[in-house]
Amino acid sequence: AQSVTQLDSHVSVSEGTPVLLRCNYSSSYSPSLFWYVQHPNKGLQLLLKYTSAATLVKGINGFEAEFKKSETSFHLTKPSAHMSDAAEYFCVVNSGGGADGLTFGKGTHLIIQP
Amino acid sequence: DAGVTQSPTHLIKTRGQHVTLRCSPISGHKSVSWYQQVLGQGPQFIFQYYEKEERGRGNFPDRFSARQFPNYSSELNVNALLLGDSALYLCASSLRARSSYNSPLHFGNGTRLTVT
Repeated sequence: AQSVTQLDSHVSVSEGTPVLLRCNYSSSYSPSLFWYVQHPNKGLQLLLKYTSAATLVKGINGFEAEFKKSETSFHLTKPSAHMSDAAEYFCVVNSGGGADGLTFGKGTHLIIQP
Repeated sequence: DAGVTQSPTHLIKTRGQHVTLRCSPISGHKSVSWYQQVLGQGPQFIFQYYEKEERGRGNFPDRFSARQFPNYSSELNVNALLLGDSALYLCASSLRARSSYNSPLHFGNGTRLTVT
């Protein structure tokens, strides 16, 4: 079984300040982990993906995520928020069981204040 | 290169009707998955097809069905529509049967289905 918990439904930051979106996962197997972003009325865009090669993962648009097995966490960060970062962010896990369905968190709505 | 394309972009149907949604994967991708995203929620897995065979099914009723064609495009069919079927339906493709860090899913922009 696999599950994802995004700890905040909404996060509001000022432009130019750091962003932290929190995600905890549960998986019976060694998971594949992803962060996806969804802008209004758009599909999902892959931000970054966890590979076992490194615990700190760099993605597009300056985003990073750190895999911490001991804490079962995969938090998303960005040093300086930009207005264009305002969107819905989803933490996603795939334990690679039988069905190959990804399990999405409920999403975190990121609001950027000018 | 074209991404995942879905048609139509918007659709309005009446309760009890049937709907067909279409998806063309990225060129070279043999796996197609379908997800339902209800407003305010994360997407939920409906089906995965790989090489024209069903590889996985989520917790959806038999009113939902799908198929994949020889060119790897796919259709999602929903019969006897209910108001609760109103959602954004997302199609995603990947290179391999199992999506992973080296074969992630690429999503289309979705079809917005409204059932009245």
